[in-house]
Amino acid sequence: DVKVTQSSRYLVKRTGEKVFLECVQDMDHENMFWYRQDPGLGLRLIYFSYDVKMKEKGDIPEGYSVSREKKERFSLILESASTNQTSMYLCASTAAGQYEQYFGPGTRLTVT
Amino acid sequence: DAKTTQPPSMDCAEGRAANLPCNHSTISGNEYVYWYRQIHSQGPQYIIHGLKNNETNEMASLIITEDRKSSTLILPHATLRDTAVYYCIVIHSGNTPLVFGKGTRLSVIA
Repeated sequence: DVKVTQSSRYLVKRTGEKVFLECVQDMDHENMFWYRQDPGLGLRLIYFSYDVKMKEKGDIPEGYSVSREKKERFSLILESASTNQTSMYLCASTAAGQYEQYFGPGTRLTVT
Repeated sequence: DAKTTQPPSMDCAEGRAANLPCNHSTISGNEYVYWYRQIHSQGPQYIIHGLKNNETNEMASLIITEDRKSSTLILPHATLRDTAVYYCIVIHSGNTPLVFGKGTRLSVIA
């Protein structure tokens, strides 16, 4: 079974802190994605990556950066957390040419 | 990517078939119809996808109209564990970013 794991299920951080959200997949997938999910807004794409050291901006990249140093790991970084970044963050991965994306369980981040 | 329209919510009695509709009237010839679902507090889960023909797997069936402007996801014998938000997505390829709408909240009732 494909496994996509995220470093924390719940996280509480203070405004201005630097926050790292980690995502690891164990199936050698080339493609990885970060989404955030907010009530009434659905899932929105933040960043994605088609290969190691590659990254592409999604629909809402402002305030975020990413790192993909190894194929299995895709990190989302909030350089200076703000309250409007309180959200559920979801990571997904898929292999090139594969049909389905596999999602992690999500990290519920609260910024106070 | 084509936009989709789904009803915001539906109820289904346990053991009965759940039929979830989706309109995608602007779909282009090389776009697939995908269905995902999200159970509360979990990440989305792939269910099924199709291009032109009807498809069936162990989870569900997908019926696509001949003009491809709409489709229906069928859960043949809904259980309480099928209570979730179901998303219909139209995309060129499964490994590109997904664009989620608001989906249909299906409640399976005992």
